[in-house]
Amino acid sequence: NAGVMQNPRHLVRRRGQEARLRCSPMKGHSHVYWYRQLPEEGLKFMVYLQKENIIDESGMPKERFSAEFPKEGPSILRIQQVVRGDSAAYFCASSPDRGQTQYFGPGTRLLVL
Amino acid sequence: GQQLNQSPQSMFIQEGEDVSMNCTSSSIFNTWLWYKQEPGEGPVLLIALYKAGELTSNGRLTAQFGITRKDSFLNISASIPSDVGIYFCAGGYTGANSKLTFGKGITLSVRP
Repeated sequence: NAGVMQNPRHLVRRRGQEARLRCSPMKGHSHVYWYRQLPEEGLKFMVYLQKENIIDESGMPKERFSAEFPKEGPSILRIQQVVRGDSAAYFCASSPDRGQTQYFGPGTRLLVL
Repeated sequence: GQQLNQSPQSMFIQEGEDVSMNCTSSSIFNTWLWYKQEPGEGPVLLIALYKAGELTSNGRLTAQFGITRKDSFLNISASIPSDVGIYFCAGGYTGANSKLTFGKGITLSVRP
């Protein structure tokens, strides 16, 4: 019974490049959440998706960031034209239904040079 | 925005001691969760609480959902070296707004 999978675990990008972070939820879970963690900080909510729908994107920066969760395949968090301030750990969580316990993946650590 | 307060930032205890961590909020939540994070890993769920006043145990861990719904505590009894890590509290809702709000975490060190 695999947990939440994220890849890559580490990603290095130069300023101006694009970063794509992937998340496969736990089996049977159709709700996905993305969070960002800066060093020595707690996790900050970014976006909540259900299959093919964005439910809440109140934590997403207005520009350069987008997320999707297609009918088939993993959820993708996309960051265009990355800047140094985007360097952080990005975590995905999944739950079987709205408002239920969220289980986290191991995270993707993004470093922008 | 909503904030959860966890303090102190770090705690140092001797192996075998008990330790208690508090989490307070200016807002009401209807779920409280406690997670532990180790270096390079994601948060691992320790205990989930869904009802005000609820007291739940998981092995040596005990957590309570405050009556006011604005606080929670986590207690670890008879600490061992593998308890080392960062402990986060998180508040959430069971309704349409499902996002979790996290505290900044408490780093626990256990001296053998």
